[in-house]
Amino acid sequence: QLVLTQSPSASASLGASVKLTCTLSSGHSGYAIAWHQQQPEKGPRYLMKLNSDGSHSKGDGIPDRFSGSSSGPERYLTISSLQSEDEADYYCQTWGTGIRVFGGGTKLTVL
Amino acid sequence: EVQLVETGGGLTQPGESLRLSCAASGFTVSSNHMSWVRQAPGRGLEWVSVIYSAGSTYYVDSVKGRFTISRDNSKNTLDLQMNSLRAEDTAVYYCAREAAGSIDCWGHGTLVTVSS
Repeated sequence: QLVLTQSPSASASLGASVKLTCTLSSGHSGYAIAWHQQQPEKGPRYLMKLNSDGSHSKGDGIPDRFSGSSSGPERYLTISSLQSEDEADYYCQTWGTGIRVFGGGTKLTVL
Repeated sequence: EVQLVETGGGLTQPGESLRLSCAASGFTVSSNHMSWVRQAPGRGLEWVSVIYSAGSTYYVDSVKGRFTISRDNSKNTLDLQMNSLRAEDTAVYYCAREAAGSIDCWGHGTLVTVSS
């Protein structure tokens, strides 16, 4: 079964960096994912598509502060030079034939 | 500019029907896989349904037999017919464009409330 697992919460200080993790279920470590950001009271925004080899393609207008990387079944989103507007929920998403799956989301607090 | 605008949400009673529509601009709906995703109050994102560019359709188990995804190529819209609505279908419904499986564009959402 295709499942994505995310930690419910994370926090980091203004100006610092944070690395969020999304873990693919057993047997699915080769899958690509996408990262999405949802700021409070707003709809989701596409950040990037992240492949199993760590290559990624970002959406239009996504700052260089956002980057992705991969290791085995783990997919990472790193945000550097944290700003207050980065405080949001972050969701990973993957797909297979006839199915799309979201992780439970990580709520990022910028201290 | 690529844009998705959902309409059709509102308050309805259990057992009733509602039809959502998503108007696309800046691209052709039929050339992409298109999904509906929902978010219940205070909850995470849940995928609901996808229609492939070739026309195949798929649904999450909880809506199979009740919801139907379709597209109107002449209007460049994506639709979701929702029948036999339940309280647990209450959510903001988002239309989304896909690029090889990855959602790469989201609509602003439309709220569906199912309550007696």
